[in-house]
Amino acid sequence: DAMVIQNPRYQVTQFGKPVTLSCSQTLNHNVMYWYQQKSSQAPKLLFHYYDKDFNNEADTPDNFQSRRPNTSFCFLDIRSPGLGDAAMYLCATSRPGRQGRSDGYTFGSGTRLTVV
Amino acid sequence: AQSVTQLGSHVSVSEGALVLLRCNYSSSVPPYLFWYVQYPNQGLQLLLKYTSAATLVKGINGFEAEFKKSETSFHLTKPSAHMSDAAEYFCAVSDPRGGGNKLTFGTGTQLKVEL
Repeated sequence: DAMVIQNPRYQVTQFGKPVTLSCSQTLNHNVMYWYQQKSSQAPKLLFHYYDKDFNNEADTPDNFQSRRPNTSFCFLDIRSPGLGDAAMYLCATSRPGRQGRSDGYTFGSGTRLTVV
Repeated sequence: AQSVTQLGSHVSVSEGALVLLRCNYSSSVPPYLFWYVQYPNQGLQLLLKYTSAATLVKGINGFEAEFKKSETSFHLTKPSAHMSDAAEYFCAVSDPRGGGNKLTFGTGTQLKVEL
């Protein structure tokens, strides 16, 4: 089945130690997103790629970076994780709507990041 | 800017009872609207979407929602709750200009289903 896969499902990292989360998709969708979801909160968009074009949200901290080497893969890099960065990180993909229609997003299962 | 407001962060119903989860939107243009469900430690799964076609939208697992422009609402309903419906539900809105790419989520409603 075509899907969005996030690895690992659970990640423990040390305070200040760089960490990378990965996302891959078999849907061939143009757009890939990274969301941060803290406990009992709505997902918050960090950034997204439309093909190779990177779009950062204005309030995304510089500590968060992303790479998209090809259509299928997208990475989230946290350069110096703090305790406040502990969250679920969700990757999603979408295909831009044609003729004004949208298919919504397809989400991965998420990576739960713990910072110790 | 677009936004959605979900009234009630927690809703509890009895098994077999009607489920009603409320969502109101704010948008300067006719929006696209979505409902997603999230089970513990999982990603979000699309339940249904409104993209300017029929105002009554049917989704998976027996859920449906009605777009009411006059009330700026997109409430989610299910006639008879099942234990497996217990989860968190998110309403989301996107701007159809540019293909409706960016979703803005509400704060979520935790649905509890009791015997």
